[in-house]
Amino acid sequence: AQTVTQSQPEMSVQEAETVTLSCTYDTSENNYYLFWYKQPPSRQMILVIRQEAYKQQNATENRFSVNFQKAAKSFSLKISDSQLGDTAMYFCALKGGSQGNLIFGKGTKLSVKP
Amino acid sequence: GAVVSQHPSWVICKSGTSVKIECRSLDFQATTMFWYRQFPKQSLMLMATSNEGSKATYEQGVEKDKFLINHASLTLSTLTVTSAHPEDSSFYICSKTSGILLGNEQFFGPGTRLTVL
Repeated sequence: AQTVTQSQPEMSVQEAETVTLSCTYDTSENNYYLFWYKQPPSRQMILVIRQEAYKQQNATENRFSVNFQKAAKSFSLKISDSQLGDTAMYFCALKGGSQGNLIFGKGTKLSVKP
Repeated sequence: GAVVSQHPSWVICKSGTSVKIECRSLDFQATTMFWYRQFPKQSLMLMATSNEGSKATYEQGVEKDKFLINHASLTLSTLTVTSAHPEDSSFYICSKTSGILLGNEQFFGPGTRLTVL
């Protein structure tokens, strides 16, 4: 079975500061994908960043970057220069195997304070 | 712009009635779509995989006779909650995947909030 674990139910950060959200996962697949999704109060799921497991280089998207540690099955998200608009629920997700669905962690509620 | 739409965005119904939720792929065709359920302050849980032209695949614990899925065309999947009860009140989200060539990104609809009185 594939699992995704987010151990931080809530986090807060000051505007312009940096915050790291943790995620660990488990899968027996060799080829898989990892994602971070943001869910603001509107509840629309928004892709933040993706990582292909076969790529060693950590993915980066502007202020968002990941620390992908494949051996440790860890996939943390770093948000630099936090902005008020980053306030949202953040879900770590795993896609592996032939099915196209995602397995989600329980989420981390991030609050960016002015 | 949005690539997946859902209708309605919210619905309130009486206990015992049936509610249909539509999920449309607005750009490319989707032979497979997914239905998730999200209870308040919880994560998304896969309910079923909707397959165009064939029966849906349900996750363990999801009643197929209660949550009827119809994927009659390449751009439309519907979820019907039959004989709804208050415990069915939840946020229902559909999605489709872009496939390997486009990075396996999953596109989500805006969701449907169902409240059963």
